[in-house]
Order: sequence, then structure tokens, then C-alpha cells
Amino acid sequence: GESVGLHLPTLSVQEGDNSIINCAYSNSASDYFIWYKQESGKGPQFIIDIRSNMDKRQGQRVTVLLNKTVKHLSLQIAATQPGDSAVYFCAENMRGGSQGNLIFGKGTKLSVKP
Amino acid sequence: DTEVTQTPKHLVMGMTNKKSLKCEQHMGHRAMYWYKQKAKKPPELMFVYSYEKLSINESVPSRFSPECPNSSLLNLHLHALQPEDSALYLCASSQVWGLSQPQHFGDGTRLSIL
Repeated sequence: GESVGLHLPTLSVQEGDNSIINCAYSNSASDYFIWYKQESGKGPQFIIDIRSNMDKRQGQRVTVLLNKTVKHLSLQIAATQPGDSAVYFCAENMRGGSQGNLIFGKGTKLSVKP
Repeated sequence: DTEVTQTPKHLVMGMTNKKSLKCEQHMGHRAMYWYKQKAKKPPELMFVYSYEKLSINESVPSRFSPECPNSSLLNLHLHALQPEDSALYLCASSQVWGLSQPQHFGDGTRLSIL
């Protein structure tokens, strides 16, 4: 299940199950969104992106869904594996203002139980 | 392996020391970024270089001094740092600044200030 508190929100799933990581973004003018995976001791690694003219985009074992009405982004990971354990960040690119700057969400820690 | 290379991986320095962090990419990207990341937090933007010119300084204290000697290299010069500056410093690059596209991150330099 998911827990939110003083620490990083954590999602714990069984190996082989599907994972869904959620993100609420802040600006309705944002037109580009990215999911990053950050493993311990590493930098953020690009997973998948989506532009605001799309609702869904699929990659290898991952799907990103965008709901602009409620400013919500989700990352679905199919058949979660132990190697998927990491912190996942969503990021938005706001049109206008400081274009090209990414605004990162707080992050969710995914733990995969064998 | 990341295509953005950062050195050193770890750095311990006293508050009176002067040191430099280095970042290199050979993807032909013309935008490069410095971020600071504290534990369990998302990356925070510090500086943006576009075509080797400083485009954004997010009100970073002057004890951090960035430099972009050429299109492949980005340095961060450190002087008279404070203990609260201990963090992971991440470098990133993208094709150009101002377009909706992913940033590619290095694995960072873990900085500890004594």
C-alpha cells in the first residue's frame, strides 16, 4: 500500500504485480511531463515522457497517463521486478516563464518485495 | 552507464577550502544544468547554461560559482561553503534550453562539508 507522512511516500508491491505511482502537478500551463527513476547512489534516469496533447503513452513495461482536467499524472509499471525498486519523480515543464526548466514532484519510493 | 560524467563522485572539504566539481557530456547538447539534491528530496535547480552562456541563476549564494569553458564541459567552483551545503550535486544536459525535452543527468558528486 501507499503511506504518506514526514518521510518520502512509499509504495510497497509484490514482485510480479503491477505498480501505479501517482503525481499531482501544479500548473495548468505545463505542457510536457517526464518520469525519472533514481536508484540509490545514482542520478535521475529518464523513463518516459508525455506531451499535453496526449493522454497516454506506452513504453517497455511502463505506461504514463495524463489527466489534464485534474492535473494528475501516473506511471504504471507492469510485472514489477526487484530492479524497479527506486525513487520515482515526476517533473513538469511549464510553458512561459522559465521555459525549459523542470519542476520536480516530491518523489515516491517504490519497494518491491520478492 | 550515464552519458553525463561527473567528477569526483565524492568530495569532503572544510569550510575554508576551494574545490571544483566537473561535468562532461559528448552528446552535442547545448544546454547544461546544475542541481542540488538533499536526502529524500527532489533536485533543485541552481544554474542553467545555454550555448555556454549563463541563462538562469536561481538566487544561488556567491560561494557557488559556475563556469562553462566549452559546449561539453561545465564546472562548479566552491569556496567557503557551509555545512548546510552538504548534498548531492547533479549535472544535467539537454539538446537546447527552452524546448520540451528530457534532461539527462549524471550520477552526481556527493559533497560533505566539515
